[in-house]
Amino acid sequence: QVQLQESGPRLVKPSETLSLTCSISGGSISNYWWAWIRQAPGKGLEWIGSIYHSGNTNYNPSLKSRLTISLDMSRNQFSLKLSSVTAADTAIYYCARQFFGTLFDYWGQGTLVTVSS
Amino acid sequence: DIEMTQSPSSLSTSVGDRVTITCQASQDINNHLNWYQQKPGKAPKLLIYDVSNLETGVPARFSGSGSGTDFTFTISSLQPEDLATYYCQHYDNLPYTFGQGTKLEIK
Repeated sequence: QVQLQESGPRLVKPSETLSLTCSISGGSISNYWWAWIRQAPGKGLEWIGSIYHSGNTNYNPSLKSRLTISLDMSRNQFSLKLSSVTAADTAIYYCARQFFGTLFDYWGQGTLVTVSS
Repeated sequence: DIEMTQSPSSLSTSVGDRVTITCQASQDINNHLNWYQQKPGKAPKLLIYDVSNLETGVPARFSGSGSGTDFTFTISSLQPEDLATYYCQHYDNLPYTFGQGTKLEIK
């Protein structure tokens, strides 16, 4: 059973960079896309971006200029970096497995990141 | 971006009721549509993929249908554990987008 776990700072200052890591257990990072999705408090779901095990990435154009998604196959992890954050980036951040660019079938529990000074 | 519009935004229902949620895409999404359930404080859970295919382990009271731009999600007989918010999601092109959600409340 694949399990995902997000980790990283829960509080980030405005204008700084939000950094999160997703650790994958119970399965390999190979042969799948891996995604970040966020949910602002009380709001809906927003796809942030995805990365394939080869390193190919797809980003949401609304975030692309501030976004980097990378992976570490040796550690079975992938990461999110979102720069120049504002209060609008406060959200629960989920990592998820994406089945060949279609559905999101395994999700982490999510981590609330607050942007505040 | 393809806009996904769900209706209704919220629904107060009773145990045993048949519940129907609609999802309309702003353009033809070639049946590239999934449905998720999100219970309070939890991550979303995939229920239905490719319009009408039930994810493994999901009860048969959940179903999906539709084509083109108009899709429907149905719970045939609502159970207390179905209290949740339901989202549609397209994957026809980038960026993938979700509907705004339909929150089910049990009377």
